[in-house]
Amino acid sequence: NAGVTQTPKFRVLKTGQSMTLLCAQDMNHEYMYWYRQDPGMGLRLIHYSVGEGTTAKGEVPDGYNVSRLKKQNFLLGLESAAPSQTSVYFCASSPLGGTLGLTGAQYFGPGTRLTVL
Amino acid sequence: KQEVTQIPAALSVPEGENLVLNCSFTDSAIYNLQWFRQDPGKGLTSLLLIQSSQREQTSGRLNASLDKSSGRSTLYIAASQPGDSATYLCAAPTGNQFYFGTGTSLTVIP
Repeated sequence: NAGVTQTPKFRVLKTGQSMTLLCAQDMNHEYMYWYRQDPGMGLRLIHYSVGEGTTAKGEVPDGYNVSRLKKQNFLLGLESAAPSQTSVYFCASSPLGGTLGLTGAQYFGPGTRLTVL
Repeated sequence: KQEVTQIPAALSVPEGENLVLNCSFTDSAIYNLQWFRQDPGKGLTSLLLIQSSQREQTSGRLNASLDKSSGRSTLYIAASQPGDSATYLCAAPTGNQFYFGTGTSLTVIP
């Protein structure tokens, strides 16, 4: 049981390049999230998904796109990277607590450290 | 929109001291409250989860309490150790999202 895994762990991009971050979870969780963490800003939600085939915008979605074609995977794409997207990116997942919604805990991946030059 | 605040932002204590970390939230319609620990350069590790129907949860030297009516949660750490040094974050799920505080950076001095 690997939990939540993220690929890659580190990446350096040049401005304008594109890339995709992969998040995978093996806990059969319905909810998946992408956050970015910057010094002094805390964790900010980029996009999230409440189930396979669904996505929704979070607090800071601009410049990012996501897809959830399979329940276990949640992809975060940067189409044209900018220096402002230099950050640590975390993926997380959470089970659906039946009709009670988000009663379960949130589980985090180890993070991806992205630098955009 | 839910807003989560953690005070203090930083705390330094001598080893062996008992301490309390605070988390406040503006919207009481939360499902639960979760406390995390984050070591430098690492991901978030879940410490305790308190369901909205509970008042407190305990794990070893850690005890977390929840008072939804006042919008507050506290994390109590007993007999602190240098290994407890880390950033502690709280998260409150509302709707489909988790809302995080900016954390308390704890340093335990040997």
